[in-house]
Parts: sequence; structure tokens; C-alpha cells
Amino acid sequence: DVKVTQSSRYLVKRTGEKVFLECVQDMDHENMFWYRQDPGLGLRLIYFSYDVKMKEKGDIPEGYSVSREKKERFSLILESASTNQTSMYLCASSAFPGQGAGANVLTFGAGSRLTVL
Amino acid sequence: AQTVTQSQPEMSVQEAETVTLSCTYDTSESDYYLFWYKQPPSRQMILVIRQEAYKQQNATENRFSVNFQKAAKSFSLKISDSQLGDAAMYFCAYWPGSARQLTFGSGTQLTVLP
Repeated sequence: DVKVTQSSRYLVKRTGEKVFLECVQDMDHENMFWYRQDPGLGLRLIYFSYDVKMKEKGDIPEGYSVSREKKERFSLILESASTNQTSMYLCASSAFPGQGAGANVLTFGAGSRLTVL
Repeated sequence: AQTVTQSQPEMSVQEAETVTLSCTYDTSESDYYLFWYKQPPSRQMILVIRQEAYKQQNATENRFSVNFQKAAKSFSLKISDSQLGDAAMYFCAYWPGSARQLTFGSGTQLTVLP
């Protein structure tokens, strides 16, 4: 019954490495999101996408990029990982606003804990 | 910019008792949605309850209910008959009708004491 799948639960990377975090959803949702979760700061939006090949910056896009080549897949890329990017990363998806009772409700993946050494 | 404030970083409740988690938000929008999400220790974030701003009636889902005060921009979550499985981080979130993304509060860590 898994609906949003994040490829890795735990990753350990070195400073300067390129990091890919993959997210796949099977609900045919238009919207996909990448959040970063840090203690005391809640969830902060990095990037989101409302259609294939479309992306918009969230609140903290610096140091990150994203790719959405297919509707079901949304990738977060750290071009050159730094220690201040050590965090929990959450992917989520939602239907387009207004479409039924589930509209505007996010379905989350289990999260990816990234440690950058 | 919209903000969501959860002023209680941590709370605890005795099993079977009732607890209320607070949330306030700042907005100039008239059409929006409010949410409470729960993140148990397993980390999978799940929706607890949702409230549409145009609805005056407070949303209820079993033991979970909200107190939505639109004029005061307050959206508190009440958990009745607390259970050990309710222990989690709870996030309040706001979604304006004019945007595509949510704004989350900083979270409240709820401990349920046996």
C-alpha cells in the first residue's frame, strides 16, 4: 500500500559529493514537493513541481536542484553536498487543488536521512 | 508571507486524558485550508484532520477535533482519550487557496504517559 516511495532511508555522503534523492508516487498526482525537516524549524519547502518538467523554488532552494522528467518521479539533487545539508528530507505529493476530497492533502514518503561528513 | 506558529515545542498527557495543541497563523487570504499532520517515531507523516476556512463547523475525526477561530486565526487540535499510539510530532499546516504549497509550523512533540 506504499504510495510515495523514497529511494533511500539513510545516506552518508562526503562533502563535495553529488547526491541524488529519488521519489516516486503511484497516485497520478500532479503536485510533488521536497521538504527539509530540521529540529525546531519544522518542514521547509525546497522545491515543488506541479507538472512534468515544471518546477518552482520554495523557501530554501539554495544548494539544491530538482528534476521531474516523468509525472510519477521527482528527484532532488545536491550538486555539491555540504555539512549544513545534513538533514531529513521528505518528499510528498498531492492532487491538483479542488479535485475531490483528497485535494490539498499531502501524502508523504518515509523520509531520507542524509548525513554529510 | 504566511506564517504558522506552534508555541508549544513539547507537551505531555496522561493516557486516557485530553490534550490540546495550539496553532496560530497569519494570513490575508479569505480562502484557505488548515491541517494537522502527525509524524510518529517511524517518521511517516500522516494527515490527522483538515479544515476548510469557509466552513464554520469544526472538523472532527474520531478522537481528534479542532477548534477553528477564524477571526483570531487560531487552529487548535484536541485529542480526547489519549492513547500511547498518539505519541508523535504534530505539525500544523496552512494552505492558501491562491498557492500550491503548504506552510508548516515548527511542530509540537507530544508524549503520552502510561
